[in-house]
Amino acid sequence: AQSVSQHNHHVILSEAASLELGCNYSYGGTVNLFWYVQYPGQHLQLLLKYFSGDPLVKGIKGFEAEFIKSKFSFNLRKPSVQWSDTAEYFCAVNGPYSGGYQKVTFGIGTKLQVIP
Amino acid sequence: NAGVTQTPKFRVLKTGQSMTLLCAQDMNHEYMYWYRQDPGMGLRLIHYSVGEGTTAKGEVPDGYNVSRLKKQNFLLGLESAAPSQTSVYFCASSYELGLAGAQTDTQYFGPGTRLTVL
Repeated sequence: AQSVSQHNHHVILSEAASLELGCNYSYGGTVNLFWYVQYPGQHLQLLLKYFSGDPLVKGIKGFEAEFIKSKFSFNLRKPSVQWSDTAEYFCAVNGPYSGGYQKVTFGIGTKLQVIP
Repeated sequence: NAGVTQTPKFRVLKTGQSMTLLCAQDMNHEYMYWYRQDPGMGLRLIHYSVGEGTTAKGEVPDGYNVSRLKKQNFLLGLESAAPSQTSVYFCASSYELGLAGAQTDTQYFGPGTRLTVL
């Protein structure tokens, strides 16, 4: 079964600090990888995704993530965070297939608090 | 396009009462999902559907039933609510990419339903 680990459950940063959120998954086959963001009181929305090609993926609002297949990792980064980045971030992985359906697994989420 | 909508937004139930949550999407997505979100537990899949007329169990299906009679609607039912079902419920939908192996693409989420069971 697929599992997705997000190592940091709560991160507190000052504005302009750099951010890296870890995400590791267990399934060794072909996967599609996502980061979703949930701003306070809102629903989840896509930040970025990786299906194939360049393992360094750029998303909205200056976020990027790097897929390292050998490490089963898809870490999220941003060089300089802003107060408006305060949110909860979820890593998600599609795969493996079961019954013709590509199972989706979400990580537990990381709450990021940015202090002005 | 409205995207994914959910009704109601809030609901308070007494133990043993029943209710139905409605999810609707106008993006012609094949796949639809129901999740519950609880503090410290992330998102857990309750049930999902890969097309009209089909449903399947997710990680935490007990106490819930679903139906997908129309492609655009996915209903989640609680037959006899329990306090353990107090949660925020999110519906989502996604394309099926149609490639070999039917890859699922980005999920689009609804605004959520906050349910309290007393």
